[in-house]
Amino acid sequence: QVQLQESGPGLVKPSETLSLTCTVSGDSVTSGTYYWSWIRQPPGKGLEWIGYVYHSGNTNYNPSLKSRVTISVDTSKNEFFLRLNSVTAADTAVYYCARDSWYGTALDYWGQGTLVTVSS
Amino acid sequence: EIFLTQSPGTLSLSPGERATLSCRASQSVTSDYLAWYQQQPGQAPRLLIYGASTRATGIPGRFSGSGSGTDFTLTISRLEPEDFAVFYCQQYGTSPYTFGQGTRLEIK
Repeated sequence: QVQLQESGPGLVKPSETLSLTCTVSGDSVTSGTYYWSWIRQPPGKGLEWIGYVYHSGNTNYNPSLKSRVTISVDTSKNEFFLRLNSVTAADTAVYYCARDSWYGTALDYWGQGTLVTVSS
Repeated sequence: EIFLTQSPGTLSLSPGERATLSCRASQSVTSDYLAWYQQQPGQAPRLLIYGASTRATGIPGRFSGSGSGTDFTLTISRLEPEDFAVFYCQQYGTSPYTFGQGTRLEIK
């Protein structure tokens, strides 16, 4: 059974960096079949795709966040990561990690999500 | 960027009724890479349909997807009490991948 679990600080100060980890079990981030993705959802609002990383380290980001976001992977730990710089209150959201595939099966496994609040 | 517009914003129906949800894209969705997700309060989205019409693993047969190009539909043939939730469509054929704003399905 594939499982993903987000972890990281629940509170970040404005202008600082948001850092989250997604730990994958039941699958390997080295699988050539999948992309490892981040999605976020502000409280009471809809979903926004942030981007993904491939096991090779190749990435694809949403242009709306591209100047501030880095997604990376650690194959030895079976984890992938999200870093978002220069955060503001608008970055307050539930952040989800999820598995995507290159052959078109969409986001089939999701973590339970973690709320990150940006506030001083 | 492809914009997705879902309608209606809210749908009020009773258990046993048929639900029809719409998702319209601002341009053609590449390879009909259109997915539908269900989100219950406080939970992560759950994949229902991918490739416009293929049910994901473990999804009941009362859920079906149809459409191609710019117009897509999610149909729930007979609503069960656990089906009431918010539904999102997503296109993943063209980067950046985008979601619709959601349809809330509520009990009438």
